[in-house]
Amino acid sequence: NAGVTQTPKFQVLKTGQSMTLQCAQDMNHEYMSWYRQDPGMGLRLIHYSVGAGITDQGEVPNGYNVSRSTTEDFPLRLLSAAPSQTSVYFCASSYQGLQSGANVLTFGAGSRLTVL
Amino acid sequence: GQQVMQIPQYQHVQEGEDFTTYCNSSTTLSNIQWYKQRPGGHPVFLIQLVKSGEVKKQKRLTFQFGEAKKNSSLHITATQTTDVGTYFCAGPRAGGTSYGKLTFGQGTILTVHP
Repeated sequence: NAGVTQTPKFQVLKTGQSMTLQCAQDMNHEYMSWYRQDPGMGLRLIHYSVGAGITDQGEVPNGYNVSRSTTEDFPLRLLSAAPSQTSVYFCASSYQGLQSGANVLTFGAGSRLTVL
Repeated sequence: GQQVMQIPQYQHVQEGEDFTTYCNSSTTLSNIQWYKQRPGGHPVFLIQLVKSGEVKKQKRLTFQFGEAKKNSSLHITATQTTDVGTYFCAGPRAGGTSYGKLTFGQGTILTVHP
């Protein structure tokens, strides 16, 4: 199992450009989420999904779109990048249950985005 | 909204010294989770605490969940250079089950001088 795979690892954009951060998991987890990490602010939830076709906003959703057409994929779209979106983005997946390992996040390696 | 505060933000220790980070939530949590992020890496799950007053140990790491289920701590005995990284606590948003939605503390960055 590859776990959670994120691409690209690094990206530089100019203000106003659009791009998509890709996230895929092969663990058949029903829940997927996107977090951004900024110095001194921990990880903040952008969007999450509880299953294919179902998404909802997190703490900092403005400027980002998501969709979940399959269980495996959860791309994050920046429609018009702004310097405030310079950050490290982590995709994570989890599953609900009572067994060990349930309800905890498995993170991808991260995507470092710089917006000039 | 729900807030999870973590202190200290930074901790520098000599190798062999003990280290503790504290986590406080503005709301009662159904569980609390701890993650470790090595420099340049991604957060990795360490442990989940569910019961009021629960204490769990992983080798030199001791995790506690407060009686009111609003605070938690991570204590590392005799730190080693391999302990370097950022330690995060996290609780389910809105006090419910996780569904992949956690509120994270700001993290404590631990550096260990050999």
